[in-house]
Amino acid sequence: EAGVVQSPRYKIIEKKQPVAFWCNPISGHNTLYWYLQNLGQGPELLIRYENEEAVDDSQLPKDRFSAERLKGVDSTLKIQPAELGDSAVYLCASSSQGSNSPLHFGNGTRLTVT
Amino acid sequence: KNEVEQSPQNLTAQEGEFITINCSYSVGISALHWLQQHPGGGIVSLFMLSSGKKKHGRLIATINIQEKHSSLHITASHPRDSAVYICAVEGGTGNQFYFGTGTSLTVIP
Repeated sequence: EAGVVQSPRYKIIEKKQPVAFWCNPISGHNTLYWYLQNLGQGPELLIRYENEEAVDDSQLPKDRFSAERLKGVDSTLKIQPAELGDSAVYLCASSSQGSNSPLHFGNGTRLTVT
Repeated sequence: KNEVEQSPQNLTAQEGEFITINCSYSVGISALHWLQQHPGGGIVSLFMLSSGKKKHGRLIATINIQEKHSSLHITASHPRDSAVYICAVEGGTGNQFYFGTGTSLTVIP
């Protein structure tokens, strides 16, 4: 089966510019996650979707970050405007519905804000 | 406060050595995951377990629910095992994922 696909793989932008990341989860996976990972750290949850509903967005900085998962399949994560501290790897992961299902991660988008 | 603690943070081993990475957690869990991340690469799920022990090739994962502890063992380590190994637990309030900060393993030929 195809894995979780993310694009772009790398993005370099100037601060105050907008940026968007895209994720296509594994077919049939109802649960989709966006994580942020800084160097040497574990992933930190930004938002979790069950189908098209955001069930946990408590860690999403809503003043500049937004996400959507229209039709409960693909998802986009947007930052506007980007700040220097947003430089990180943004990971998308998916799993089938219910707990105790393996997490499948995409390769991530490495964002550098200059 | 970290719900998941891993040790060691960094580990260097000679090829062929037996390696153990430890994970302790503080929340009630429904499952524990061991993940592998190669430099510049994505994260791959190695194991998901909720009790006992699982084995896949040279990798063995064990969990002790009473002690809230898990170990990942690598037998006959090889340079291609060099990666960051992350422990993650599924549980707590809202059944969310909690991640450790990872153990960076380097296996020297």
